Amino acid sequence: DAGVIQSPRHEVTEMGQEVTLRCKPISGHDYLFWYRQTMMRGLELLIYFNNNVPIDDSGMPEDRFSAKMPNASFSTLKIQPSEPRDSAVYFCASSLLGRGAQETQYFGPGTRLLVL
Amino acid sequence: LAKTTQPISMDSYEGQEVNITCSHNNIATNDYITWYQQFPSQGPRFIIQGYKTKVTNEVASLFIPADRKSSTLSLPRVSLSDTAVYYCLVGDDDKIIFGKGTRLHILP
Repeated sequence: DAGVIQSPRHEVTEMGQEVTLRCKPISGHDYLFWYRQTMMRGLELLIYFNNNVPIDDSGMPEDRFSAKMPNASFSTLKIQPSEPRDSAVYFCASSLLGRGAQETQYFGPGTRLLVL
Repeated sequence: LAKTTQPISMDSYEGQEVNITCSHNNIATNDYITWYQQFPSQGPRFIIQGYKTKVTNEVASLFIPADRKSSTLSLPRVSLSDTAVYYCLVGDDDKIIFGKGTRLHILP
């Protein structure tokens, strides 16, 4: 398996623009997670899905952020409008059976977002 | 969700054994202890997991005392390529929290 695939790897945009990040989880994994990583806050869970259904979006910072999972092999994280404070590395991860510490999460390479 | 405490950073030299200790005083009966490793410009990756006593794999060993209120990740004979951030996670079925981890810097 190719692992978790994310695109784009790098994104530079201007404040106010819409940004869409994409993720393809490992085939057969039931759980998909979106994380954001910054130096100040570390690695934060934004939202996770189980069988394509959003379960917990309490980590989504505000209404400018939205995530969808239209099918088992694709998810998007959208920021509209983007702001400079959204600059971070966004990771997608998937796991086979669960969300907890006993279930291994497999991370993608991340998307490095810079909002000017 | 059990709170974990680990050192912010550590330095060591090539060839040395490195031990990173994580405190988790309020660990619950069903909680597992899991460690992830994150290299620069990469996503975290699972390295080891345990419930009690000792677990060893090709990458590391995990030592867990009987009271399970702490755990120690042991990396034998580190090399420069072991420079990374190491995260200690504790929980069972609840969503996990990564925190800031321990930034390990290996010196030549």
